Parts: sequence; structure tokens; C-alpha cells
Amino acid sequence: EPEVTQTPSHQVTQMGQEVILRCVPISNHLYFYWYRQILGQKVEFLVSFYNNEISEKSEIFDDQFSVERPDGSNFTLKIRSTKLEDSAMYFCASTKRWADEQYFGPGTRLTVT
Amino acid sequence: DAKTTQPTSMDCAEGRAANLPCNHSTISGNEYVYWYRQIHSQGPQYIIHGLKNNETNEMASLIITEDRKSSTLILPHATLRDTAVYYCIVRVDGGAGSYQLTFGKGTKLSVIP
Repeated sequence: EPEVTQTPSHQVTQMGQEVILRCVPISNHLYFYWYRQILGQKVEFLVSFYNNEISEKSEIFDDQFSVERPDGSNFTLKIRSTKLEDSAMYFCASTKRWADEQYFGPGTRLTVT
Repeated sequence: DAKTTQPTSMDCAEGRAANLPCNHSTISGNEYVYWYRQIHSQGPQYIIHGLKNNETNEMASLIITEDRKSSTLILPHATLRDTAVYYCIVRVDGGAGSYQLTFGKGTKLSVIP
């Protein structure tokens, strides 16, 4: 069964550094999402992406964040200058049609020291 | 946005049916009810969704009341692997044909041997 994959599974970085989290959505999916979950807290929506454009973003998704689909398979989340409070699990999700159920990847645990 | 209310936790004996309730009294006529679960810190896993009719798939059944103000997720024969946090979510449609999932705290289901 096709699945969403994410790399790395765990990323440790120092405050102020840039990080890029990578996702490979299911191959024929067209809509892509990033969510995050701070330890012990709720899963929060960050951004949705379709046709090489951001469809919607939350208040969390400020100028420090950006997303890109650099090629036909990868979908990336970049955090320009990480802060301690960016430490969280980051989940990528994708759907084939916009109204379909979202399939999530296993997540990347980001630890900012 | 339609909000959902779920019990914080529930126990279920292995092999028995697990019935997880959800209240969504402010749901609008065209809003869907989705159920996801999260095992440990893994990515949320889609279970089932519905609008107003009852739905069944290989994982679970979804019973939605006639007034659509509440629903029940039924796992017919719970196993230890069903121990997880279960989220009832009312889908909020965003712009440009996208939607975000707004996760609450969910119900922590513990399946007991």
C-alpha cells in the first residue's frame, strides 16, 4: 500500500540554524499539507499546498517557514532560523483530490537546542 | 468552526466492541465528520468519515445521529493494537479547494487484555 514517507526521522539542530524537512507524498497525490505536534499537545495545521502555491496557512506559519515542491516527488518544509519553540513532531500529509482523506507520514522529530 | 467534544479516556476489553462518542452540536449541514487515530507519536491514521449516513469500512463503523449533532465510532472487535488516541474532527473547508484538520485532545482508548 502506498504511503507518505518523511526524512529524517529525527533532526537535531542548534537555535538559529536553518532546517529542511523532507516529505515524499503518495505518488499520484496533488494536495499536500504540513502539521506539527509539540510534545504532549495537539496536532496543529501549518499549511496546505496545491499547484505549486500555498492554499492556506495558519498563524503559526510565519515568515520563518516556507514550503516547496522542488521536483515531482518531494515536498519540503524549511524553517529559516529555528527557535527552541520549534521543537516538535512535524507531519506531512497528502490527498489525491482536495476533499479526500489526508494520509499522514510518520513524522520528523525536530529538536532545537 | 464546528467544535467537537470527546471523553478524555475510555477502556475497552480486548475482543469487545469499542464505542467512542463525539458531540458536534454546532456542525453545519455540509460539514463532514472525520475520525483519525494516533498511536504513540506516530502520524495520525485515517479511519472513516461521513456526512449524514452511517458508514462502514474494514476498520470501523460510524454512526451519525439524525440531527447530526453527535456520532459514535465503533471498533467491532478491539485488539491491543487499537490502543491509541482517537480524534473526532469536523472538516473545515478552506479556500482554493483545500481543507485543514483541526485536532482536539481526542479520546485515549486503552484496550485491556
